[in-house]
Amino acid sequence: GAGVSQSPSNKVTEKGKDVELRCDPISGHTALYWYRQSLGQGLEFLIYFQGNSAPDKSGLPSDRFSAERTGGSVSTLTIQRTQQEDSAVYLCASSLGSGGSTDTQYFGPGTRLTVL
Amino acid sequence: EDQVTQSPEALRLQEGESSSLNCSYTVSGLRGLFWYRQDPGKGPEFLFTLYSAGEEKEKERLKATLTKKESFLHITAPKPEDSATYLCAVQVRWDTGRRALTFGSGTRLQVQP
Repeated sequence: GAGVSQSPSNKVTEKGKDVELRCDPISGHTALYWYRQSLGQGLEFLIYFQGNSAPDKSGLPSDRFSAERTGGSVSTLTIQRTQQEDSAVYLCASSLGSGGSTDTQYFGPGTRLTVL
Repeated sequence: EDQVTQSPEALRLQEGESSSLNCSYTVSGLRGLFWYRQDPGKGPEFLFTLYSAGEEKEKERLKATLTKKESFLHITAPKPEDSATYLCAVQVRWDTGRRALTFGSGTRLQVQP
């Protein structure tokens, strides 16, 4: 079946511009996660959505970062007034969200963001 | 604060030369420990989940084990196609309300023919 998809695969922007990154989770997955992977660093949690519950925003690095999830499916991560330190690969993952032993997070291919 | 430390940072093996990757963790109430494989330019690919000390899981040339403080990923008779970065991550108990994975920085494995 189809996995997690993300678009665009690459995004180059100028400092100060806003960007939107999109994630389509696996069909039927109620949980959706955003992570960031900077050069030479591990994956860093950003935000988590579960069904209609309030999202866990505890990983967002600043108020320039926001995310929404429409209709319990597609999610958009928005970065306003981008800075060079925002350059990274942004990864989306989804899981069943059921809490069972099979609740594994499956990752998309990522969006590589470069801020000039 | 949850911490995950992976060693070595990089490992170069000859084809057929078995070895182990280490993942040490400090977490307040472990729900599960996850191993992923990541190829350059791609997202992490799920390999294993381990839930309790003593648990072992195998897939082809890979075997993952778990103790109360660390996990090992054993690679038996590796092939060049096993070359990748291997990531370890932990998830805390769900009654904490937290679902995010905490990742280590990974081990870059290169298997030479």
